[in-house]
Amino acid sequence: KQEVTQIPAALSVPEGENLVLNCSFTDSAIYNLQWFRQDPGKGLTSLLLIQSSQREQTSGRLNASLDKSSGRSTLYIAASQPGDSATYLCAVSRGGGSQGNLIFGKGTKLSVKP
Amino acid sequence: SQTIHQWPATLVQPVGSPLSLECTVEGTSNPNLYWYRQAAGRGLQLLFYSIGIDQISSEVPQNLSASRPQDRQFILSSKKLLLSDSGFYLCAWIRFVTGGRHGYTFGSGTRLTVV
Repeated sequence: KQEVTQIPAALSVPEGENLVLNCSFTDSAIYNLQWFRQDPGKGLTSLLLIQSSQREQTSGRLNASLDKSSGRSTLYIAASQPGDSATYLCAVSRGGGSQGNLIFGKGTKLSVKP
Repeated sequence: SQTIHQWPATLVQPVGSPLSLECTVEGTSNPNLYWYRQAAGRGLQLLFYSIGIDQISSEVPQNLSASRPQDRQFILSSKKLLLSDSGFYLCAWIRFVTGGRHGYTFGSGTRLTVV
């Protein structure tokens, strides 16, 4: 059974700092991995999607890496800003169609202090 | 453009009352649709998924049911709500991006409180 773990559960940093969020999964047979952002009381916003054949994806100040063999992914946020404060969720998928169900971690709650 | 709508945004219902949450997508056809629940202090849990009209699969036994009467409509229901049904309900669909790859898009969610 696939399990996804995110460390740390919460993180507080001063503005401008670079930071890394960690995600690990127990079954390396994944189709893709996706990072989401969730603001309090809101839905999920997709940040980055990494296919199992890829090593990393970048979008602006965000960079996500994937090491499928070791069951790990990291989300790197450069030059953090107060607007980055949110909960970040990692999720893996076994495939498309009926296997496309996402298994989520519990998230890392990030607080960026001005 | 491709969008997903969920309503209502918030709902307070008494125990034993019925429930109907609706999700619709626009700008696509034959999407894979999903209902997830996020309970307090817990991660997101898949409740139901659908690969087509009237094709519903349940991941966990529970007090809820789902239906897909139209291609782009997904409904979450209950005949009698329990306190344990409280949570944040999210609808999602798989969108296909360049190269056949797919990613998930989530609706804005419904906060359900059963009292």
